[in-house]
Amino acid sequence: DAGVTQSPTHLIKTRGQHVTLRCSPISGHKSVSWYQQVLGQGPQFIFQYYEKEERGRGNFPDRFSARQFPNYSSELNVNALLLGDSALYLCASSLLSAGGLNTGELFFGEGSRLTVL
Amino acid sequence: SQQGEEDPQALSIQEGENATMNCSYKTSINNLQWYRQNSGRGLVHLILIRSNEREKHSGRLRVTLDTSKKSSSLLITASRAADTASYFCATASNDYKLSFGAGTTVTVRA
Repeated sequence: DAGVTQSPTHLIKTRGQHVTLRCSPISGHKSVSWYQQVLGQGPQFIFQYYEKEERGRGNFPDRFSARQFPNYSSELNVNALLLGDSALYLCASSLLSAGGLNTGELFFGEGSRLTVL
Repeated sequence: SQQGEEDPQALSIQEGENATMNCSYKTSINNLQWYRQNSGRGLVHLILIRSNEREKHSGRLRVTLDTSKKSSSLLITASRAADTASYFCATASNDYKLSFGAGTTVTVRA
């Protein structure tokens, strides 16, 4: 079975541009989460979606947005890119426990490495 | 801000030796998980320990959890070159996210 797939794997943008990152979860997983990992740090939570609804949002500005589609794939959009947005963006899917809390194992994709110049 | 902090930040050991890394966290948790990351690629789940468990084993991995001290440790026994990676602890509380530490970079020398 295919794991979590992300595209593109690498991309370079300039300040002020916008970017769209895509993620396909493992078949059967209805929850998708996005994390940002700056070099040398651990992943930071950005969003969690379940059944097309946003269930959680991390401490990120409104320039960051996401959505989940009926087939459970997801997009992360970042507008007005800043140098500090350069990072590895990780998508993870999971089987949610009862109540929708994302407390179980996450299955990560290989990430999209964004460089902002 | 990060919930967990790993210690040490970096660890270099000889193949065959054991590697121990620690994680401290600040708030109450449902469970604590350990992940491995190779060279900036995706994270791979290693083990999950629930808040009512004290120790868990998986192959060459042993995890302990002390909720009174808000700390956990990961022991990798008989290390191999393939264990060279960054290791992250992540805590799950009553919300929708995992909170990761900054990680421990482990280098296993042949």
